[in-house]
Amino acid sequence: DAKTTQPNSMESNEEEPVHLPCNHSTISGTDYIHWYRQLPSQGPEYVIHGLTSNVNNRMASLAIAEDRKSSTLILHRATLRDAAVYYCILRGLKTSYDKVIFGPGTSLSVIP
Amino acid sequence: DAGITQSPRHKVTETGTPVTLRCHQTENHRYMYWYRQDPGHGLRLIHYSYGVKDTDKGEVSDGYSVSRSKTEDFLLTLESATSSQTSVYFCAISQGARSSYEQYFGPGTRLTVT
Repeated sequence: DAKTTQPNSMESNEEEPVHLPCNHSTISGTDYIHWYRQLPSQGPEYVIHGLTSNVNNRMASLAIAEDRKSSTLILHRATLRDAAVYYCILRGLKTSYDKVIFGPGTSLSVIP
Repeated sequence: DAGITQSPRHKVTETGTPVTLRCHQTENHRYMYWYRQDPGHGLRLIHYSYGVKDTDKGEVSDGYSVSRSKTEDFLLTLESATSSQTSVYFCAISQGARSSYEQYFGPGTRLTVT
């Protein structure tokens, strides 16, 4: 799987939008962009994924650059519960039983 | 929330003893995975299963074995626990193995080998 690069940490004020960036310049045309997050002392939690078009769900929005070399996870209104480590992951089609490869992620702090 | 439970949630055991961790799902998903998470290493795949009695090794499978006799249960066994196996273990499930499918994770089991 291609590699992703994320900032180590970010801060946000409560009730403000948060934009978490991810660079994936070596992405292939068949790689999906997945986002997971991990709250303290919990298992990773699926957030959202997409291929080419922007995606929205109840948790967040995913904005994918036109050249697909970067993406941004958008939390529209940060709450204290959103403080977590956010992982941007690429999943390709090359392996039949592929796994989710987690990098170090971005640690998001939410300030009350 | 996906119906995934892990048991036990915490365990302390001595070096050399066998340990079995259980993952139970109520989603009827075909694929199940065992990961371990350690500081500085992130999540690493131990073993995975693509159906009843169908399992395969992940990147850190040495010292671990797995079994899946029913769709809903995936067992991870440490035949003879070592201190290097002290970790947090997560089970995950997914409907499919293709890259368009998401994985859902259990709450984790914290294992300490003394």
